[in-house]
Amino acid sequence: ETGVTQTPRHLVMGMTNKKSLKCEQHLGHNAMYWYKQSAKKPLELMFVYNFKEQTENNSVPSRFSPECPNSSHLFLHLHTLQPEDSALYLCASSHRTSGDRWGDTDTQYFGPGTRLTVL
Amino acid sequence: GIQVEQSPPDLILQEGANSTLRCNFSDSVNNLQWFHQNPWGQLINLFYIPSGTKQNGRLSATTVATERYSLLYISSSQTTDSGVYFCAVVMDSNYQLIWGAGTKLIIKP
Repeated sequence: ETGVTQTPRHLVMGMTNKKSLKCEQHLGHNAMYWYKQSAKKPLELMFVYNFKEQTENNSVPSRFSPECPNSSHLFLHLHTLQPEDSALYLCASSHRTSGDRWGDTDTQYFGPGTRLTVL
Repeated sequence: GIQVEQSPPDLILQEGANSTLRCNFSDSVNNLQWFHQNPWGQLINLFYIPSGTKQNGRLSATTVATERYSLLYISSSQTTDSGVYFCAVVMDSNYQLIWGAGTKLIIKP
């Protein structure tokens, strides 16, 4: 148990569906992240939120839409996905004091992931 | 951009064996972390180790920043050590983690 939860754990959706992934952290962290993990590829950072503000968007297609209503919750809204979007989607959180050099407190804690299959 | 390479890509060992996993990176970094992902997908941070050596039970890690590599040692392997081990480094410019492709470790009983 890392203190970061994700729901659902598994999701199968068609290309015309709209669904949302949810992440919640109980660690008092300020930063939250979405990663995509595809088979045989390194983790890809998708979005970063720091104090509820989006600070990174790594050229992610608009069919993925993040939402961070507060520092404890992060959503990823999905619509008109493609089969190649099938992957494990991981949420993480960390302390991240803006402007400071990376330190021990920036260690990221990961949720268990959502296994997404797009048919 | 910075490159992170891990070796070996796959490793199969008998329970009780020792192993060494390597991570090479192409540029200077101000930190490096090792993670373990279990067969069910859960990622756990093992070490934050920008330099020097740290130990935690049967696991230890050493980073030689001047030579741009880090090693993860697993002693007396157990089946629960199976999974994928990732190293990740941080770019100073935007604090993003840059991940290696991982080493898949299988420990046979």
